[in-house]
Amino acid sequence: GAVVSQHPSWVICKSGTSVKIECRSLDFQATTMFWYRQFPKQSLMLMATSNEGSKATYEQGVEKDKFLINHASLTLSTLTVTSAHPEDSSFYICSAGRTSGGKDEQFFGPGTRLTVL
Amino acid sequence: QKEVEQDPGPLSVPEGAIVSLNCTYSNSAFQYFMWYRQYSRKGPELLMYTYSSGNKEDGRFTAQVDKSSKYISLFIRDSQPSDSATYLCAMSLYNFNKFYFGSGTKLNVKP
Repeated sequence: GAVVSQHPSWVICKSGTSVKIECRSLDFQATTMFWYRQFPKQSLMLMATSNEGSKATYEQGVEKDKFLINHASLTLSTLTVTSAHPEDSSFYICSAGRTSGGKDEQFFGPGTRLTVL
Repeated sequence: QKEVEQDPGPLSVPEGAIVSLNCTYSNSAFQYFMWYRQYSRKGPELLMYTYSSGNKEDGRFTAQVDKSSKYISLFIRDSQPSDSATYLCAMSLYNFNKFYFGSGTKLNVKP
């Protein structure tokens, strides 16, 4: 159990286009989902936290209008990178939170590698 | 000063060795401590989850938290080549709160 999927696993796009990444919790309902970005040989940097049915909370320095997050249901959150530029090329990873046995846990998706030409 | 400090390595050990991975942190309010394993080009996988101080063992893995020293460790016994990955420590103030990640330690277990 506790499987989180992401789609697509990799995407290449032209500068100026928008890219949507989906994050799904396949076998549990996630009250909270998180979006991270990871540059090569660096750690994960939290971009935003989203709760189903409410607006996402963005970390300082993350542009809300550029990285649109929609948490439409308890099993699906989407991240749209608008007007992508080469500096947005990165590994984007989502995680989904659930409560089990009185313990709250985060489970990570496999990540989406975005390359902007 | 970073919230969480972790030696990036790489750390290279022979198969069967005991591996010690460590993180230090600056915020004494952290309560939840996690260790994740990340293979190249994959998402992190949760290995160990500890609340507050103490030890936790799961198979070949042991997690230790010393809140007085603001120091956490992950020990891997009888290390295997399949353990070769980047190990990330993470901590948070409370559940579903922001996770603070270390930079990750790259481990290579040689056959």
